[in-house]
Formats: sequence, structure tokens, C-alpha cells
Amino acid sequence: EPEVTQTPSHQVTQMGQEVILRCVPISNHLYFYWYRQILGQKVEFLVSFYNNEISEKSEIFDDQFSVERPDGSNFTLKIRSTKLEDSAMYFCASIPPGLAGEQFFGPGTRLTVL
Amino acid sequence: AQTVTQSQPEMSVQEAETVTLSCTYDTSESNYYLFWYKQPPSRQMILVIRQEAYKQQNATENRFSVNFQKAAKSFSLKISDSQLGDTAMYFCAFMNIGGSQGNLIFGKGTKLSVKP
Repeated sequence: EPEVTQTPSHQVTQMGQEVILRCVPISNHLYFYWYRQILGQKVEFLVSFYNNEISEKSEIFDDQFSVERPDGSNFTLKIRSTKLEDSAMYFCASIPPGLAGEQFFGPGTRLTVL
Repeated sequence: AQTVTQSQPEMSVQEAETVTLSCTYDTSESNYYLFWYKQPPSRQMILVIRQEAYKQQNATENRFSVNFQKAAKSFSLKISDSQLGDTAMYFCAFMNIGGSQGNLIFGKGTKLSVKP
């Protein structure tokens, strides 16, 4: 069964550094999402991406963040100048054509900012 | 803006018994989906069950069923014959499919412990 994959599983970085989190959505899916979950808190929407551009973004998704689909498979989230409060699990998700409902989540990347 | 509320931060149940997790939501939209996701200690998000708002019939998936009350904006999850593997965080989530691109809005979650 196809699945969403994410790399790395755990990223440790120093405050102020840039990180790139990578996701490979399911191949025929067209809508892609990033979510964040600070430890012990709820999952929060960051951004959605469709047709090679951002569809919607939350107030969390400020100029520090960017997303890109550099090729036909990868979907990346870049965080510039990381802050301590960026420490969280970051989930990628995708939906098949037609917004059929279920979002398929990747296993997440745990980001730790020191 | 839509909101999702889970009023039970933690619950516990004995193995083989039944437990119900509560969820309410607020929206002015008419076309949406509701979901329950399970997050075990591995932190993977696993879909448990989905309900389309236009369907009156409550969704069921094996031991999992929902009580969807659209007028009351309530969407509870019932787990029958609880198993130790059901121990996890459970998140209720809302998705508007009327105009936005399908992002999920989550509640704060309920931590369920199944005791042997």
C-alpha cells in the first residue's frame, strides 16, 4: 500500500540555523499539507499546496517558512533561522484527486532546536 | 472560523469494555467531513473513522463507531471491546470541503488508556 514518507525522522539543529524537512507524498495525490504538533499540544495546520503553489496558509506560517515541490516527488518545508519554539513534530499529508476526504499522513519529523 | 472541542483530556477504560470520546465543533459551513485520528506513542497519525456531513447514517469501522448529531454539532467516538492496542491520543478533526483546500482543524485530543 502506498504511503507518505518523511525524512529525516529526527532533526537536531542549533537556534538560528536553517532546516529543510522532506516529504514524499503518495504519487497520484495532488493536494499537500504541512502540520505542526508541539509536544503535548494539538496538531496545527501550517500550509496547503496545490498545483505548485500555496493554496492556504495559517497565521503560524510566516516569512520564516517556505514550501517547495522541487521535482515531481518531493515536497519540502524550509524553516529559516530556527527558534526554540519551532521544536515540534512536523507532519506532511496528502489527499488524492477530488478532495476525497482522507488525508494520508507521513510518520512525521521531530525537530529539536537547541 | 471553525473550532473543534474535545472536553475530555484523559480517559481510561478496562479492556473489553466500551468507551465514548466526546467532540463538538462549531461551523457555519454545510459541506464538511469529520474525522477521528489515533496517535499512538510512535506519534504516527492514523485515521480511525470518517463521517461525511451530508450522510445521516453514522459511520462504523469494526469496533469503532460514531454518533454524529449534525444539529447539535456533536461527533462522538465509541470504541467497543476495548483492546490494549487502543491506548493512544485520539484527535477529532474537521475539514471544510466547501471552499478551502481541505486543511484539517484538530481538537486538543483525548488521551485514552486501556487497562488490563
